[in-house]
Amino acid sequence: EAGVTQSPTHLIKTRGQQATLRCSPISGHTSVYWYQQALGLGLQFLLWYDEGEERNRGNFPPRFSGRQFPNYSSELNVNALELEDSALYLCASSLFLTGTGASNQPQHFGDGTRLSIL
Amino acid sequence: AQSVTQLDSQVPVFEEAPVELRCNYSSSVSVYLFWYVQYPNQGLQLLLKYLSGSTLVKGINGFEAEFNKSQTSFHLRKPSVHISDTAEYFCAVSWRNEKLTFGTGTRLTIIP
Repeated sequence: EAGVTQSPTHLIKTRGQQATLRCSPISGHTSVYWYQQALGLGLQFLLWYDEGEERNRGNFPPRFSGRQFPNYSSELNVNALELEDSALYLCASSLFLTGTGASNQPQHFGDGTRLSIL
Repeated sequence: AQSVTQLDSQVPVFEEAPVELRCNYSSSVSVYLFWYVQYPNQGLQLLLKYLSGSTLVKGINGFEAEFNKSQTSFHLRKPSVHISDTAEYFCAVSWRNEKLTFGTGTRLTIIP
């Protein structure tokens, strides 16, 4: 079974540009999560999508946005890049079960996209 | 809302010694608890989870954790660590349909 895949592995941008990060979940998983892991700031929750809908959003400005496609893959878009956006962006996927949701389902993580802003 | 506290940001341990990584959570309702491990330049990997039932949970790589409701803790233990256990460990909590909330992580360093 293929795991969660993220692309690209590394991305270098300059201030003000836009970045697009991609994630393919494990087959059968409908929930996709995005996290930002910046140096010294731990793992910060960005977005949660399930069945194409945004279910929850972390405390990030609107220039962080995303979407989930019908095949459950997802994109994270970051507009007007700033230096502090430099981080490892992790995607995770999980099952979403009728009645119990996703909260008791383990999340499976990809290896991340390292975004560097020059 | 729930929160997770990992009291130790760094824990150095000699090889083959036991280790305990501490995790406390705050929630007034029943929660689901997880421990994840992150090796250098990789994503997170599930070590173990507590959903209900037995309070002692066994995970991969010889790790185990004990759920203590009265102390709202979920400490991770291993009786004898190996160099390959060097990594960052994250405790996480969720409940009902809420998102997963992670602690700030504990960096475990194994000293040869």
